[in-house]
Amino acid sequence: EAQVTQNPRYLITVTGKKLTVTCSQNMNHEYMSWYRQDPGLGLRQIYYSMNVEVTDKGDVPEGYKVSRKEKRNFPLILESPSPNQTSLYFCASSLLGGSGGGGYTFGSGTRLTVV
Amino acid sequence: GQQVMQIPQYQHVQEGEDFTTYCNSSTTLSNIQWYKQRPGGHPVFLIQLVKSGEVKKQKRLTFQFGEAKKNSSLHITATQTTDVGTYFCAENSMNRDDKIIFGKGTRLHILP
Repeated sequence: EAQVTQNPRYLITVTGKKLTVTCSQNMNHEYMSWYRQDPGLGLRQIYYSMNVEVTDKGDVPEGYKVSRKEKRNFPLILESPSPNQTSLYFCASSLLGGSGGGGYTFGSGTRLTVV
Repeated sequence: GQQVMQIPQYQHVQEGEDFTTYCNSSTTLSNIQWYKQRPGGHPVFLIQLVKSGEVKKQKRLTFQFGEAKKNSSLHITATQTTDVGTYFCAENSMNRDDKIIFGKGTRLHILP
């Protein structure tokens, strides 16, 4: 089944403890992206990647890192999480990205709470 | 940064009534996409519009792209309880590469 898999689904952590949220897609998509969703603010892009070893900042990149060493994986790293990073996170992938057409396939989400 | 305005933010309708949500952009768009997110779920791609004035239908859902490619609408005829959720538009501007920007969404509540 074509899908984007995120792990974990839920995570509670403490301020300052490094964490990684994994994202993997099995559709050979070139474009991958991370979003955070907060009430009243919609989906905001954190980072995106147009291909292996090509990443770029989205609208809210502060406090996050990403890497794209393989086409299928796009982990999101929080080096020193803070409470304002408590949010619902989605990974998404697309065959060609926005201008190339085609929709985004989203993962099921990761609900992160930083205390 | 770039924003696409989506209205209304919330909509309550009686089951069987129609529903429309609108997206407006200040720039000319390459394409616009629509997504649905059920409560507790993740966004699911519905459709993409590319051509000026394009109209596409999916059963009770009608999607339109404006002639100037700066606005779009999603209309649901005779809503059902399964239509509950948040509907997002996502736009790709002509002067931006592959990034798409999501509207804040319209949350649809259906009253039985």
